[in-house]
Amino acid sequence: GENVEQHPSTLSVQEGDSAVIKCTYSDSASNYFPWYKQELGKRPQLIIDIRSNVGEKKDQRIAVTLNKTAKHFSLHITETQPEDSAVYFCAASTTDSWGKLQFGAGTQVVVTP
Amino acid sequence: DSGVTQTPKHLITATGQRVTLRCSPRSGDLSVYWYQQSLDQGLQFLIQYYNGEERAKGNILERFSAQQFPDLHSELNLSSLELGDSALYFCASNRDSGANVLTFGAGSRLTVL
Repeated sequence: GENVEQHPSTLSVQEGDSAVIKCTYSDSASNYFPWYKQELGKRPQLIIDIRSNVGEKKDQRIAVTLNKTAKHFSLHITETQPEDSAVYFCAASTTDSWGKLQFGAGTQVVVTP
Repeated sequence: DSGVTQTPKHLITATGQRVTLRCSPRSGDLSVYWYQQSLDQGLQFLIQYYNGEERAKGNILERFSAQQFPDLHSELNLSSLELGDSALYFCASNRDSGANVLTFGAGSRLTVL
């Protein structure tokens, strides 16, 4: 089955700096890669996703890149703000079930003012 | 409010007991997914139902079972509870047709003492 690895497990950044989280996946059939943000005690919320026919996608300060050949994808947050502090999860799934997500272990991001 | 409703929010019970967690999907969503989030296992897919039928199974224990009713709400039954079953249980839903994103509910926190 699919295995998703996520690095780093924790990331401390100064407000205004950029944050990058990287994930690798094992199943070449995976073609949907969402990123979720989870604040303490709350539900995971989708922040951005990318499909395998696209190499990069951007939404304001957030961008995701996908390298299908290398089987890795990354989340980039620019101009970080204290409210970006949360746990971020990458995930992967296939077209036979978009919602059957294999999650990475998560990255705790701390943005210090 | 994501539109996915889960009850109860919190549940404390003893080992050996049985509990039922309930989920109502977003209006129009036919698929319901159950995920377990624990400190040591992260976010893990348990099971998916689509329009009343089991569609996919993940790392769900035999002591756990689920069903989806004609009104599309779903229940996750956990029996012979063990300390290790303490976790946050999330329900999520989508239309599961095409690339529809997964929306999570607020979760049910289960504590087994």
